[in-house]
Amino acid sequence: QSALTQPASVSGSPGQSITISCTGTSSDVGIYNYVSWYQQHPGKAPKLTIYDVRKRPSGVSNRFSGSKSGNTASLTISGLQAGDEAHYYCSSYTTNTTWVFGGGTKVTVL
Amino acid sequence: QVQLVESGGGVVQPGRSLRLSCAASGFTFSSYGMHWVRQAPGKGLEWVAVIWYDGGNKYYVESVKGRFTISRDNSKNTLFLQMNRLRAEDTAVYYCGREGLVTSLDVWGQGTTVTVSS
Repeated sequence: QSALTQPASVSGSPGQSITISCTGTSSDVGIYNYVSWYQQHPGKAPKLTIYDVRKRPSGVSNRFSGSKSGNTASLTISGLQAGDEAHYYCSSYTTNTTWVFGGGTKVTVL
Repeated sequence: QVQLVESGGGVVQPGRSLRLSCAASGFTFSSYGMHWVRQAPGKGLEWVAVIWYDGGNKYYVESVKGRFTISRDNSKNTLFLQMNRLRAEDTAVYYCGREGLVTSLDVWGQGTTVTVSS
């Protein structure tokens, strides 16, 4: 199972919106609406930010939103803030009853 | 509060074994699937294994099949990862995670570090 494909880095100025893509295959992202996104600050454990493609866990800001088209899922962060600077990982359930993560995207707030 | 605490990490020589534990508290452990996820130094997250809430099903990433075994003791609210025939490429921080939302990990431990080196 190959890792999902994410851009290595994305940057934006405070207040702007950015979008991170996550490309998989018809065996994972394309077939299930089981895409999750995790935020990870340096030295910390990952934190669930989006699940089931577009749902937000309790306590997560509505500035975070998710979507999917075909084999590609996306995470959009609107109203970018300094605290959003972190690594973001997508994840998908697969047809092999396994899970796969993306390589991660470093978000930089300029 | 809901909490997961990993332990058992350390430095081990290639080919040797190590058993990680993940102690759960603050929720009904026996109702949730549980996962292990690892992160090599400076690298991204890699899913390792999952065990169903009742221990009835277990699945692994290809690179650890036949070497790692995930298990759980619901009477002790504890998840385990038995790692045999360790390799240098198994060096990572190992996190346990609760599958609280279908296929998503809503609670994570702080991680335990495994270093495989001679």
